[in-house]
Amino acid sequence: DAGVIQSPRHEVTEMGQEVTLRCKPISGHNSLFWYRQTMMRGLELLIYFNNNVPIDDSGMPEDRFSAKMPNASFSTLKIQPSEPRDSAVYFCASSLGDGGYTFGSGTRLTVV
Amino acid sequence: SQQGEEDPQALSIQEGENATMNCSYKTSINNLQWYRQNSGRGLVHLILIRSNEREKHSGRLRVTLDTSKKSSSLLITASRAADTASYFCATAPPIISSGSARQLTFGSGTQLTVLP
Repeated sequence: DAGVIQSPRHEVTEMGQEVTLRCKPISGHNSLFWYRQTMMRGLELLIYFNNNVPIDDSGMPEDRFSAKMPNASFSTLKIQPSEPRDSAVYFCASSLGDGGYTFGSGTRLTVV
Repeated sequence: SQQGEEDPQALSIQEGENATMNCSYKTSINNLQWYRQNSGRGLVHLILIRSNEREKHSGRLRVTLDTSKKSSSLLITASRAADTASYFCATAPPIISSGSARQLTFGSGTQLTVLP
């Protein structure tokens, strides 16, 4: 398995633009998590899905953020409109049952 | 809010020495996990210890858990330059609110530097 695949690796966009981050979890994993990492706030859980259903989105900072998981092999995190304070590294992770998470390599987002 | 807090924030040692990192948390847990993150990369799962376990080994890694003190330690023996990375503890809650996954809460990490 190629692991959790995220795209793009880097994204630079202008304030106000829509940004879509993508994630392909490990085949067979039934849970998917979106985290955001910044120097100031560390790793923050944004939302997680179990069997493609959103379970907890209390970490989503604002209505500008939305996430979908249309099927077991794909998820998106969308920010519309983007703001400079959204600049961070966004990680997707997947897991099966109660075990450890497998993280993707992350998307480094810069909003200018 | 962050559940786990690592100590120290930064640690610098010579190759071959042992490195010990500590993690304290606030609420009850089902399990505690340690992850490593190399610069510019994603987190890699190292080891999981359940609340009813006190010690666990994996290669050069030794993890202890003291639920009465709400603390854990990660020991890396005979460190190597390649062990240079940030190390995070993460806690899983005892109750599954819905679904089969437990959402992890990560600490702020310890930056380990192993000098050759």
